[in-house]
Amino acid sequence: GQQLNQSPQSMFIQEGEDVSMNCTSSSIFNTWLWYKQDPGEGPVLLIALYKAGELTSNGRLTAQFGITRKDSFLNISASIPSDVGIYFCAGHLGRNQFYFGTGTSLTVIP
Amino acid sequence: SQTIHQWPATLVQPVGSPLSLECTVEGTSNPNLYWYRQAAGRGLQLLFYSVGIGQISSEVPQNLSASRPQDRQFILSSKKLLLSDSGFYLCAWSTTSNQPQHFGDGTRLSIL
Repeated sequence: GQQLNQSPQSMFIQEGEDVSMNCTSSSIFNTWLWYKQDPGEGPVLLIALYKAGELTSNGRLTAQFGITRKDSFLNISASIPSDVGIYFCAGHLGRNQFYFGTGTSLTVIP
Repeated sequence: SQTIHQWPATLVQPVGSPLSLECTVEGTSNPNLYWYRQAAGRGLQLLFYSVGIGQISSEVPQNLSASRPQDRQFILSSKKLLLSDSGFYLCAWSTTSNQPQHFGDGTRLSIL
């Protein structure tokens, strides 16, 4: 299957700091998604991106669809304790499925 | 609005026992449906997807099977569970294959 490389694997930050994470692939994707998963729950969609170069915000979250269509970035500004969780990227190639990254675990220290 | 329900939330089963996990979607018609397994809190592995009643595509060979007896019902089954079947199982739906998938709350399956 397709490999989506997410980095960093984990982050430990102070409350109030900004966060940046990214997702890269060797393939060109048509759609990029970002999800957040809390422990013991299913992933929840944060942002969907459909065009190369697209920049979309959802509150303190901003995500971008890379110009090369092989990467995407998620930024969280002014982190708060409830931002804790695992963040997944997912990309769509044009077949019947999305490919998911391995996740970035975020810990926010109050 | 659309909702997705999975049950049970947790399940403890002995090796060799059968399995049936159920997923239902409300508020939409003819959704694409998906079963994923997630090990150790990371890495979603797609097991099965369905684009319509009775249509199942398998992504990973294993001793699990899936069925879609009704438009908004997706079932994950096994005749004999293995220790390696332990994990967190997630059901998801989407309107079409290139639209975002929406996940249920998952089933934590432990095999003893």
